[in-house]
Amino acid sequence: QQQVKQSPQSLIVQKGGIPIINCAYENTAFDYFPWYQQFPGKGPALLIAIRPDVSEKKEGRFTISFNKSAKQFSLHIMDSQPGDSATYFCAASLYPNDYKLSFGAGTTVTVRA
Amino acid sequence: DTAVSQTPKYLVTQMGNDKSIKCEQNLGHDTMYWYKQDSKKFLKIMFSYNNKELIINETVPNRFSPKSPDKAHLNLHINSLELGDSAVYFCASSQESLVGGELFFGEGSRLTVL
Repeated sequence: QQQVKQSPQSLIVQKGGIPIINCAYENTAFDYFPWYQQFPGKGPALLIAIRPDVSEKKEGRFTISFNKSAKQFSLHIMDSQPGDSATYFCAASLYPNDYKLSFGAGTTVTVRA
Repeated sequence: DTAVSQTPKYLVTQMGNDKSIKCEQNLGHDTMYWYKQDSKKFLKIMFSYNNKELIINETVPNRFSPKSPDKAHLNLHINSLELGDSAVYFCASSQESLVGGELFFGEGSRLTVL
């Protein structure tokens, strides 16, 4: 049973567009929500993470929005570039008491030049 | 200098064979993991070791056996390979005492069972 539901499965945007990836969870005990970015042929790498005590976090062109009451969080990629084309995974865990991250199914983002 | 390295990167073998994948991390982390990524890119945790002790053992066929000779190494041995074992296997490490517990992944080992 997947504990984190991620959508859409894939999306295509033009350069400069804002791809948005949504994730939802059920376990209210989750308190750490990272996003990982994976390029073809590489392992996933941490992109940005958020704790439930904040509603938004920005790092460069990447922004996480977090809605605790709705148990949803999303990733926005501002001014997207072709180099952002990758698969993005949301995840959740019971940090710091749980070593296990529950990953979403992944979203493949393609940014066309 | 590669932080998490896995060998081999590619592995093609016949059904029924036994194979191993090796992983080493030079980050000084205390926790290591094996993840399986299927053809739909879904990442599923298989095992985790903390200071050489098995702490996560998901529902994985007992044909899969991890071994951690020391904190820096975690190997995966697979017996009697089946077609459904074809996937990319990722090793990862983290330092649980650090805020965030960021996972550092290797580049993956693509296993193809014919």
